[in-house]
Amino acid sequence: DAGVTQSPTHLIKTRGQQVTLRCSPKSGHDTVSWYQQALGQGPQFIFQYYEEEERQRGNFPDRFSGHQFPNYSSELNVNALLLGDSALYLCASSLAGREPDSYEQYFGPGTRLTVT
Amino acid sequence: AQTVTQSQPEMSVQEAETVTLSCTYDTSESDYYLFWYKQPPSRQMILVIRQEAYKQQNATENRFSVNFQKAAKSFSLKISDSQLGDAAMYFCAYSSGGSNYKLTFGKGTLLTVNP
Repeated sequence: DAGVTQSPTHLIKTRGQQVTLRCSPKSGHDTVSWYQQALGQGPQFIFQYYEEEERQRGNFPDRFSGHQFPNYSSELNVNALLLGDSALYLCASSLAGREPDSYEQYFGPGTRLTVT
Repeated sequence: AQTVTQSQPEMSVQEAETVTLSCTYDTSESDYYLFWYKQPPSRQMILVIRQEAYKQQNATENRFSVNFQKAAKSFSLKISDSQLGDAAMYFCAYSSGGSNYKLTFGKGTLLTVNP
């Protein structure tokens, strides 16, 4: 049973650059959520994608955007990187339409982004 | 807005003993979901246990159990027979359900297990 996978594992970027992070959901899941986890903090919700559309968004600026593909995989894009964007980015997947199981999210190992 | 508070930044326990991690939350909803997640140094967040607010019975998963006090908005995690592999950061999380799928996390409790 393939779990949630993310790539790359680590990434170093310069202020002002753009970055793309990738996520493949757990086998059988169709919904992908993205979270930002700053050092020493709990994850913060960025947005969730379902049926290739952004279904819900957290309190993040428009510099953060995403995409979901027909195979349910997803990308997170961050433009005009700031030093404060340095964090662990977590992807989580779930299966829609199976309440209450739909509210369980399964996480990947994360991508550590460092902005210098 | 819903908030989740974990008042214990760090806890320690002796191997084979029991430890309880605390969590409180603030919500005006009557139906919602609560979770405990474990994040070992490897970083991967692992779901430990789930509690539906409409269920009065406390959830259990092997050595892990919760004490859900809805009126007090309290949701503690009890780990029995602690093992070295239980050492990790533990996060309490809330989801209001309905059309709101996001998880709101506390700041976490770092659990150390001493041999």
